[in-house]
Amino acid sequence: DIQMTQSPSSLSASVGDRVTITCRASQSISSYLNWYQQKPGKAPKLLIYAASSLQSGVPSRFSGSGSGTDFTLTISSLQPEDFATYYCQQSYSTLHTFGQGTKLEIK
Amino acid sequence: QVQLVQSGAEVKKPGASVKVSCKASGYTFTSYDINWVRQATGQGLEWMGWMNPNSGNTGYAQKFQGRVTMTRNTSISTAYMELSSLRSEDTAVYYCARGTGDYEGGGWFDPWGQGTLVTVSS
Repeated sequence: DIQMTQSPSSLSASVGDRVTITCRASQSISSYLNWYQQKPGKAPKLLIYAASSLQSGVPSRFSGSGSGTDFTLTISSLQPEDFATYYCQQSYSTLHTFGQGTKLEIK
Repeated sequence: QVQLVQSGAEVKKPGASVKVSCKASGYTFTSYDINWVRQATGQGLEWMGWMNPNSGNTGYAQKFQGRVTMTRNTSISTAYMELSSLRSEDTAVYYCARGTGDYEGGGWFDPWGQGTLVTVSS
């Protein structure tokens, strides 16, 4: 199976900060990388698909980049509603796998 | 709007089976895969498998091979996930999610169902 490793596991930041979360695949996955946001008690929500495509309705402060094995999710200016846990997911293999998650907390 | 609505919470004893349903609306059920993902309390997301509602083809994570069965009833646009030989470690919220890819088993997941809590306890 393809392993996905996110860093950091947790992150403290302030409203207005620029934040970057990294996801690394154990083998090349081209651009088959997706990002989700999950708030406590809620289902995950798709933010970015195919590494860099913004899902409809998602604010433009979210962006994704990367290809091959290294990917990033960037939030350009944190808003209060962005404090949540973020997961990457590879869809290169039909045996999908998720990263372990990055919890973004208020500083 | 596209929506997935799951069945309610379940409490099961160790060794039993559970069957969770996921009813789709707002789109053609047979045109998109359904995936199942679970999440234990305080833990991350764990992908379990996918099912193509048109063909009935499935793909399961190795961890669940032999214990999970994904099926569907196209007449009522509903997918099912059955997990057998339950143990306490299977206590989790189980989500269904529509797979949006251009090939069977592929793509990203959107939208997700609301989740179904399955508790395994003696």
